[in-house]
Amino acid sequence: NAGVTQTPKFRILKIGQSMTLQCTQDMNHNYMYWYRQDPGMGLKLIYYSVGAGITDKGEVPNGYNVSRSTTEDFPLRLELAAPSQTSVYFCASSYFVGGEQYFGPGTRLTVT
Amino acid sequence: EDQVTQSPEALRLQEGESSSLNCSYTVSGLRGLFWYRQDPGKGPEFLFTLYSAGEEKEKERLKATLTKKESFLHITAPKPEDSATYLCAVQEETSGSRLTFGEGTQLTVNP
Repeated sequence: NAGVTQTPKFRILKIGQSMTLQCTQDMNHNYMYWYRQDPGMGLKLIYYSVGAGITDKGEVPNGYNVSRSTTEDFPLRLELAAPSQTSVYFCASSYFVGGEQYFGPGTRLTVT
Repeated sequence: EDQVTQSPEALRLQEGESSSLNCSYTVSGLRGLFWYRQDPGKGPEFLFTLYSAGEEKEKERLKATLTKKESFLHITAPKPEDSATYLCAVQEETSGSRLTFGEGTQLTVNP
């Protein structure tokens, strides 16, 4: 199993541009999550999903959107990128509520 | 609101020098407390889940313990390869599957 994969690994955006961060998991997990991690900080939950077609906001959802059309994929959309969205983005998945979350390798995004 | 505080922020040890990392938490009802290891430039890697006060789990040189207000990650005779950032996270009973993370402890083990 590849586990959780994320693309791209790195990206530089200009202010106002949009992009989609891709996340795929091959473990048949129902639960998927998007986090951001700023330097020296812990992870902050952006959005999460408990199954295909179901998503909900986390702690810091402003400026982002998600969709979940399949069990495997959970893309994160950034509209009108701002410098405050410069961060490292991690996707994660878990099999059940209370289960450990498995993380992808991250996408390092810089908005200038 | 759930709160997780980790201390110290950074810790330098000599190889073989045992120590402990602390994770203090405030939740209305704890479903689980998670420890992760994060290497530079990589995603967090799961270490342990603790569910109730008094529970302990071990893996190689690491041992995690849990009380009603805090968790400790004990590192016995650490090696340089144990150098990483250790993250603590809590899951509250009514928050579904969401985790609240602390800011982490950056551990450096010198040979």
